[in-house]
This record gives sequence, structure tokens and C-alpha cells, in this order.
Amino acid sequence: DGGITQSPKYLFRKEGQNVTLSCEQNLNHDAMYWYRQDPGQGLRLIYYSQIVNDFQKGDIAEGYSVSREKKESFPLTVTSAQKNPTAFYLCATQTGAGTDTQYFGPGTRLTVL
Amino acid sequence: AQTVTQSQPEMSVQEAETVTLSCTYDTSENNYYLFWYKQPPSRQMILVIRQEAYKQQNATENRFSVNFQKAAKSFSLKISDSQLGDTAMYFCATYTGNQFYFGTGTSLTVIP
Repeated sequence: DGGITQSPKYLFRKEGQNVTLSCEQNLNHDAMYWYRQDPGQGLRLIYYSQIVNDFQKGDIAEGYSVSREKKESFPLTVTSAQKNPTAFYLCATQTGAGTDTQYFGPGTRLTVL
Repeated sequence: AQTVTQSQPEMSVQEAETVTLSCTYDTSENNYYLFWYKQPPSRQMILVIRQEAYKQQNATENRFSVNFQKAAKSFSLKISDSQLGDTAMYFCATYTGNQFYFGTGTSLTVIP
């Protein structure tokens, strides 16, 4: 069954803790993206990766880190340096750099307690 | 950075009627793509329609069509014969080679 999976669907974190959000895809897409969605602000780009072992900062990368060791996986770590991490996080893939259309995973809702 | 503006935070439409969602954007690029995505209460982002900027013909997908005015940098979405399942947030987006830019969304409610 092809697609993009994100886990967990809901995640709770205590202040000061790091937490990692999972994004896996079996679409054989080269490019992967992480977005943050807050009410009234649309989607904002955190990080993106166009190829394995390479990634670039987006507009709001501070307090986040990523890795791209495998084509299928692009985990996002929300560190304690992120001041306001409570949000909905969306992972997306794209066939390759320069091609259009992004496909989205179901998202992870992160709440800091 | 590019900007995408959706000036209608909320809209409503009667079932079976037609509604138009507006979107304007700002880009200095000549080659780009435009999209409308739908986000229902499940929060899954779903592609509704896409338009290539170099094509003059407006894209159509069943009940969904766009009015693309390149000179005015306008990209509106028309939904015909609105259905209850069309209730969702709608996001307009542009893509210019390595990054997407999204608007803030329009919340559409279809009233039975």
C-alpha cells in the first residue's frame, strides 16, 4: 500500500524534552519536506531534503533538526530550544526537485504540557 | 520570499450552489506552478487542482475549476454544485523550483 505515514498521530511532550516525529514514504520520491501548521498561519516550511544525506533549512528551522539517512525516512526532532512547539506538523514528499505537486502525510499533533 | 494571499478567511455556500475562493500571489519568476489543496476536518491535505503558469488554459477537475489571470497574479478556485463533503480549509499555493509557498487558507462551510 503506497503512501506517506507519520507517527504518532498525537504526541505529548513535557517542557525541556526533545521529541522526534517520524515520516516514512514508499513512493520512491526523492524530496521530502516538513511543515508546521498553526491556526491562521497556513503552512510554514521547517526543513526540506532533495536527496539522501542532504537537507536545507526552511523559513522556521530554529529549534528543529532533521536527518536523511535513507530515501524513505525523514525524521524531525523538536528540541527544547523550540520555544513554542505546540502545533500540527505535516510531512510531504515530491517526486524530485524541480517537479511539481507535493503529497502530504496525515500529520502529527504535538502538544507541550 | 514569495507571498500568497487569501483574503477570505471564512466562506459559506448552500449545497448545490457555486462558490469562488480568491487567491493572489506575488512572484518574480516566469515559470511556476499553482495549486489548490483541501484540508478537511481529518487534516489530511488533498490536492484539488494544479495549474502550470505557462499554460493559458484554465485547469478543470470535475466540479473544480480555476480562473488563472497571470498578469494580475490571481488564481481563484470555483466549486460548482457544492457538496457537504467540500466543507474544509482550502489553501492556495505556488511552487517555483524548490519551495512551496502557502496562503493562510479559507475555511469553507457547505450548508445543507
